Amino acid sequence: DAGITQSPRYKITETGRQVTLMCHQTWSHSYMFWYRQDLGHGLRLIYYSAAADITDKGEVPDGYVVSRSKTENFPLTLESATRSQTSVYFCASRKGLLAGGQNTGELFFGEGSRLTVL
Amino acid sequence: RKEVEQDPGPFNVPEGATVAFNCTYSNSASQSFFWYRQDCRKEPKLLMSVYSSGNEDGRFTAQLNRASQYISLLIRDSKLSDSATYLCVVKRAYNNNDMRFGAGTRLTVKP
Repeated sequence: DAGITQSPRYKITETGRQVTLMCHQTWSHSYMFWYRQDLGHGLRLIYYSAAADITDKGEVPDGYVVSRSKTENFPLTLESATRSQTSVYFCASRKGLLAGGQNTGELFFGEGSRLTVL
Repeated sequence: RKEVEQDPGPFNVPEGATVAFNCTYSNSASQSFFWYRQDCRKEPKLLMSVYSSGNEDGRFTAQLNRASQYISLLIRDSKLSDSATYLCVVKRAYNNNDMRFGAGTRLTVKP
Protein backbone atom coordinates (compact mmCIF):
# COMPACT_ATOMS: atom_id res chain seq x y z
CA ASP A 1 0.00 0.00 0.00
CA ALA A 2 2.11 2.88 -1.29
CA GLY A 3 -0.39 5.60 -0.39
CA ILE A 4 0.96 8.92 -1.54
CA THR A 5 4.46 9.27 -2.91
CA GLN A 6 6.50 12.26 -3.97
CA SER A 7 9.53 12.51 -6.19
CA PRO A 8 12.21 13.60 -6.12
CA ARG A 9 12.69 13.64 -2.37
CA TYR A 10 15.64 16.02 -2.69
CA LYS A 11 16.46 18.44 -5.48
CA ILE A 12 19.04 21.14 -5.94
CA THR A 13 18.60 23.47 -8.87
CA GLU A 14 19.65 26.89 -10.06
CA THR A 15 17.74 30.13 -10.36
CA GLY A 16 15.77 30.32 -13.56
CA ARG A 17 15.51 26.58 -14.18
CA GLN A 18 12.25 24.73 -14.51
CA VAL A 19 11.57 22.11 -11.87
CA THR A 20 8.72 19.62 -11.62
CA LEU A 21 7.80 17.85 -8.41
CA MET A 22 5.74 14.73 -8.84
CA CYS A 23 2.97 13.43 -6.62
CA HIS A 24 1.18 10.11 -7.01
CA GLN A 25 -1.55 8.61 -4.83
CA THR A 26 -3.03 5.13 -4.95
CA TRP A 27 -6.20 5.73 -2.94
CA SER A 28 -8.25 7.37 -5.71
CA HIS A 29 -8.85 10.36 -3.45
CA SER A 30 -10.65 13.13 -5.27
CA TYR A 31 -8.79 15.99 -3.66
CA MET A 32 -5.10 16.68 -3.90
CA PHE A 33 -3.05 19.56 -2.54
CA TRP A 34 0.38 21.12 -2.70
CA TYR A 35 1.78 22.89 0.35
CA ARG A 36 5.11 24.47 1.09
CA GLN A 37 6.63 24.56 4.56
CA ASP A 38 9.15 27.18 5.60
CA LEU A 39 10.72 27.88 8.97
CA GLY A 40 8.54 30.19 10.99
CA HIS A 41 5.56 29.66 8.74
CA GLY A 42 2.91 27.04 8.82
CA LEU A 43 2.23 24.94 5.80
CA ARG A 44 0.90 27.24 3.10
CA LEU A 45 -1.38 26.02 0.36
CA ILE A 46 -0.08 26.56 -3.15
CA TYR A 47 -2.69 24.85 -5.31
CA TYR A 48 -5.33 22.22 -4.92
CA SER A 49 -7.45 20.05 -7.16
CA ALA A 50 -10.93 18.69 -6.58
CA ALA A 51 -10.79 16.20 -9.46
CA ALA A 52 -9.04 15.54 -12.74
CA ASP A 53 -8.83 18.71 -14.82
CA ILE A 54 -10.06 20.90 -11.94
CA THR A 55 -7.47 23.01 -10.14
CA ASP A 56 -7.65 26.09 -7.94
CA LYS A 57 -5.21 28.56 -6.46
CA GLY A 58 -4.39 28.47 -2.82
CA GLU A 59 -2.75 31.04 -0.59
CA VAL A 60 0.63 31.31 -2.40
CA PRO A 61 0.23 30.27 -6.07
CA ASP A 62 2.56 32.77 -7.78
CA GLY A 63 5.43 31.14 -9.63
CA TYR A 64 3.84 27.70 -9.67
CA VAL A 65 1.83 25.72 -12.20
CA VAL A 66 -0.13 22.53 -11.64
CA SER A 67 -2.00 20.07 -13.77
CA ARG A 68 -4.16 17.06 -13.08
CA SER A 69 -4.79 14.99 -16.18
CA LYS A 70 -5.25 11.81 -14.10
CA THR A 71 -6.85 11.43 -10.68
CA GLU A 72 -3.76 9.80 -9.22
CA ASN A 73 -1.16 12.35 -10.32
CA PHE A 74 -0.75 16.00 -9.38
CA PRO A 75 2.59 17.45 -10.54
CA LEU A 76 3.78 20.87 -9.39
CA THR A 77 6.01 22.88 -11.73
CA LEU A 78 8.18 25.84 -10.89
CA GLU A 79 8.52 27.44 -14.30
CA SER A 80 11.51 29.61 -13.43
CA ALA A 81 12.81 28.77 -9.98
CA THR A 82 13.77 31.55 -7.59
CA ARG A 83 15.69 31.39 -4.32
CA SER A 84 12.54 32.26 -2.41
CA GLN A 85 11.10 28.96 -3.60
CA THR A 86 13.66 27.02 -1.58
CA SER A 87 11.39 25.05 0.72
CA VAL A 88 9.99 21.69 1.67
CA TYR A 89 7.03 20.83 -0.53
CA PHE A 90 4.32 18.49 0.66
CA CYS A 91 1.70 16.88 -1.50
CA ALA A 92 -1.47 15.74 0.24
CA SER A 93 -4.76 14.13 -0.59
CA ARG A 94 -8.06 13.63 1.14
CA LYS A 95 -11.25 11.74 0.66
CA GLY A 96 -14.36 13.39 -0.64
CA LEU A 97 -16.87 15.02 1.63
CA LEU A 98 -18.95 13.18 4.18
CA ALA A 99 -22.73 13.25 4.04
CA GLY A 100 -23.85 16.76 4.83
CA GLY A 101 -20.86 18.28 3.09
CA GLN A 102 -18.50 17.98 6.02
CA ASN A 103 -14.76 17.68 5.60
CA THR A 104 -13.14 15.28 8.06
CA GLY A 105 -10.08 17.49 7.99
CA GLU A 106 -7.79 14.55 7.51
CA LEU A 107 -5.16 15.19 4.94
CA PHE A 108 -2.77 12.41 4.00
CA PHE A 109 0.65 13.82 3.25
CA GLY A 110 3.51 12.52 1.20
CA GLU A 111 6.99 12.45 2.73
CA GLY A 112 7.92 15.80 1.24
CA SER A 113 10.31 17.07 -1.41
CA ARG A 114 13.17 19.25 -0.23
CA LEU A 115 14.01 21.79 -2.90
CA THR A 116 17.02 24.08 -2.82
CA VAL A 117 17.34 26.84 -5.40
CA LEU A 118 20.85 28.26 -5.67
CA ARG B 1 -0.58 39.09 11.75
CA LYS B 2 -0.73 35.41 10.95
CA GLU B 3 -4.14 33.86 10.77
CA VAL B 4 -3.14 31.00 13.08
CA GLU B 5 -0.63 31.70 15.84
CA GLN B 6 1.18 29.26 18.05
CA ASP B 7 3.94 29.57 20.61
CA PRO B 8 6.88 27.93 18.82
CA GLY B 9 8.36 26.62 22.06
CA PRO B 10 10.35 24.52 22.55
CA PHE B 11 8.57 22.97 25.47
CA ASN B 12 10.96 20.66 27.33
CA VAL B 13 9.17 18.46 29.85
CA PRO B 14 10.05 15.32 31.82
CA GLU B 15 8.32 12.03 31.17
CA GLY B 16 5.03 11.84 32.97
CA ALA B 17 4.43 15.58 32.94
CA THR B 18 1.29 17.30 31.75
CA VAL B 19 1.78 19.93 29.08
CA ALA B 20 -0.63 22.24 27.32
CA PHE B 21 -0.40 24.19 24.09
CA ASN B 22 -2.59 27.02 22.94
CA CYS B 23 -3.33 28.28 19.49
CA THR B 24 -5.16 31.45 18.51
CA TYR B 25 -6.89 32.16 15.24
CA SER B 26 -7.94 35.49 13.82
CA ASN B 27 -10.72 34.60 11.41
CA SER B 28 -13.92 34.45 13.44
CA ALA B 29 -15.67 32.66 10.59
CA SER B 30 -13.38 29.66 10.96
CA GLN B 31 -15.39 26.51 10.99
CA SER B 32 -13.37 23.46 11.97
CA PHE B 33 -10.26 22.89 14.01
CA PHE B 34 -7.63 20.20 14.19
CA TRP B 35 -4.34 19.25 15.73
CA TYR B 36 -1.72 17.60 13.58
CA ARG B 37 1.53 16.07 14.71
CA GLN B 38 4.77 16.33 12.76
CA ASP B 39 7.88 14.37 13.65
CA CYS B 40 11.26 15.79 12.76
CA ARG B 41 11.75 15.83 8.99
CA LYS B 42 8.56 13.84 8.44
CA GLU B 43 5.14 14.61 7.07
CA PRO B 44 2.31 15.96 9.26
CA LYS B 45 -0.35 13.51 10.44
CA LEU B 46 -3.75 14.18 11.93
CA LEU B 47 -3.73 13.82 15.71
CA MET B 48 -7.29 14.79 16.46
CA SER B 49 -10.17 17.02 15.51
CA VAL B 50 -11.37 19.64 17.98
CA TYR B 51 -15.06 19.73 18.75
CA SER B 52 -17.01 22.59 20.30
CA SER B 53 -17.73 20.63 23.46
CA GLY B 54 -14.14 19.52 23.86
CA ASN B 55 -12.94 16.01 23.22
CA GLU B 56 -10.51 13.48 24.54
CA ASP B 57 -8.51 10.73 22.93
CA GLY B 58 -6.56 8.76 25.47
CA ARG B 59 -3.99 11.08 27.03
CA PHE B 60 -4.88 13.93 24.69
CA THR B 61 -7.60 16.49 25.31
CA ALA B 62 -8.55 19.21 22.86
CA GLN B 63 -10.68 22.22 23.67
CA LEU B 64 -12.16 25.05 21.65
CA ASN B 65 -13.09 28.51 22.86
CA ARG B 66 -14.89 30.28 20.04
CA ALA B 67 -15.52 33.46 22.01
CA SER B 68 -11.79 33.98 22.59
CA GLN B 69 -10.80 32.32 19.32
CA TYR B 70 -8.35 29.81 20.66
CA ILE B 71 -7.94 26.09 20.80
CA SER B 72 -5.83 24.07 23.16
CA LEU B 73 -4.20 20.67 23.37
CA LEU B 74 -3.45 19.01 26.69
CA ILE B 75 -1.16 16.02 26.89
CA ARG B 76 -1.18 14.05 30.13
CA ASP B 77 1.45 11.59 31.31
CA SER B 78 3.88 12.60 28.55
CA LYS B 79 5.85 9.85 26.84
CA LEU B 80 9.17 10.09 25.07
CA SER B 81 7.32 9.25 21.89
CA ASP B 82 5.22 12.41 22.23
CA SER B 83 8.27 14.46 21.22
CA ALA B 84 7.23 16.18 18.00
CA THR B 85 5.92 19.44 16.63
CA TYR B 86 2.20 19.99 17.09
CA LEU B 87 0.44 21.95 14.37
CA CYS B 88 -2.78 23.82 14.94
CA VAL B 89 -5.02 23.78 11.87
CA VAL B 90 -8.08 25.89 11.17
CA LYS B 91 -10.48 25.35 8.33
CA ARG B 92 -12.04 28.45 6.92
CA ALA B 93 -15.75 28.66 6.42
CA TYR B 94 -17.15 28.35 2.91
CA ASN B 95 -14.19 26.44 1.51
CA ASN B 96 -13.60 22.88 2.61
CA ASN B 97 -10.19 22.99 1.00
CA ASP B 98 -8.81 26.09 2.68
CA MET B 99 -7.06 24.86 5.80
CA ARG B 100 -4.64 27.23 7.53
CA PHE B 101 -1.76 25.80 9.49
CA GLY B 102 0.04 27.32 12.43
CA ALA B 103 3.83 27.19 12.41
CA GLY B 104 3.78 24.59 15.17
CA THR B 105 4.81 24.13 18.78
CA ARG B 106 7.79 21.92 19.41
CA LEU B 107 7.67 19.49 22.31
CA THR B 108 10.57 17.50 23.68
CA VAL B 109 9.87 14.94 26.38
CA LYS B 110 12.96 13.94 28.34
CA PRO B 111 13.65 10.86 30.45
